[in-house]
Amino acid sequence: DQQVKQNSPSLSVQEGRISILNCDYTNSMFDYFLWYKKYPAEGPTFLISISSIKDKNEDGRFTVFLNKSAKHLSLHIVPSQPGDSAVYFCAASAIRSGGSNYKLTFGKGTLLTVNP
Amino acid sequence: EAGVAQSPRYKIIEKRQSVAFWCNPISGHATLYWYQQILGQGPKLLIQFQNNGVVDDSQLPKDRFSAERLKGVDSTLKIQPAKLEDSAVYLCASTPNAGTYEQYFGPGTRLTVT
Repeated sequence: DQQVKQNSPSLSVQEGRISILNCDYTNSMFDYFLWYKKYPAEGPTFLISISSIKDKNEDGRFTVFLNKSAKHLSLHIVPSQPGDSAVYFCAASAIRSGGSNYKLTFGKGTLLTVNP
Repeated sequence: EAGVAQSPRYKIIEKRQSVAFWCNPISGHATLYWYQQILGQGPKLLIQFQNNGVVDDSQLPKDRFSAERLKGVDSTLKIQPAKLEDSAVYLCASTPNAGTYEQYFGPGTRLTVT
């Protein structure tokens, strides 16, 4: 039962253009969403996040959009740079019952390749 | 600020052997996580510690996997005996406390079971 889905295993874009990475989720209890970036032989690094009470969050070249009714979020990278080439993981968080701690559920990731 | 440290970075063992991984979280981080990432998949939580107590180990295969964080700082994850399907990257992550969403990951240990 995959609660966070990234249906595109890979994406290739030209330098300077927009990259759009998509993520769908099924669990309506998710209340916070994160994007992580992973280079080969390194651990994932946090990129950007969004709370379920917002529909957009922007940080420099990176913008995350959340459509709660569609249970869909997307990460936009504008303009794309060759250094953005990496695997991008979508993650969703739900509070554990009876407590204040959170559990992250990750998608399978999308490999982004930005061509010079 | 030093990041999450893990060792070894790579390990190759034969099936039925045992193996242990070590993690030192960011200084002061009370919450520590171990994840398993199989090739082509996202990280899957194995166990979460809050200080030296276990918060969630529901997805830890307890017949062969064990983990401890005795002094509430560094942690070890052990597999005994290993199976072929345990081949994966084992990631350690930490957060200042359990109420923090953003987790900081170490570089991982790549385990190959032959």
